Amino acid sequence: AQSVTQLDSQVPVFEEAPVELRCNYSSSVSVYLFWYVQYPNQGLQLLLKYLSGSTLVKGINGFEAEFNKSQTSFHLRKPSVHISDTAEYFCAVSVPDGATNKLIFGTGTLLAVQP
Amino acid sequence: DARVTQTPRHKVTEMGQEVTMRCQPILGHNTVFWYRQTMMQGLELLAYFRNRAPLDDSGMPKDRFSAEMPDATLATLKIQPSEPRDSAVYFCASGSGLTGQETQYFGPGTRLLVL
Repeated sequence: AQSVTQLDSQVPVFEEAPVELRCNYSSSVSVYLFWYVQYPNQGLQLLLKYLSGSTLVKGINGFEAEFNKSQTSFHLRKPSVHISDTAEYFCAVSVPDGATNKLIFGTGTLLAVQP
Repeated sequence: DARVTQTPRHKVTEMGQEVTMRCQPILGHNTVFWYRQTMMQGLELLAYFRNRAPLDDSGMPKDRFSAEMPDATLATLKIQPSEPRDSAVYFCASGSGLTGQETQYFGPGTRLLVL
């Protein structure tokens, strides 16, 4: 069965410091990978996605992620965070399910940026 | 700026009452998803539609939940009768594009409290 693991439930970091949010997935087939962000009391918003091609994917707000097939990982990084990056971040994998696909979300990582 | 809209934004009801949540997907999107988010279970996919046809509702409690798309501009999620354990935030999302690759655009959610 396919699954997504976000090992860190919360990541505290100081403003302007770099951050990495970890995501590992398990799947026996090729998958598409996504990172979504959820600000307080809002719906989820796409940060970036990997479909194919270059393993380094750049997204909005200065975030990037690297797909590593051998390690089945898709970690999210930002070189310098801002207070406004405080939010919940969800990694997700799209897997084939019969005639269509399903998006399976991880449990989320709360990024808490401190001044 | 096209957005997914959901009504109501908040709903407080008593156990046993019927609850109807509505979603207007982004015009032109052909897939619609319903999710439930709770602290304990995280994000759960309840149902999704492609071109108004239900593709998967395996995540939905069949005895009390129902999801429909009466037309391309409206998706509904009904709970009858509601129970306290249904208290959660319910998100609708819409998307378009190749299966599995589509970005999902989330609405702001309906926060449901069943007393």
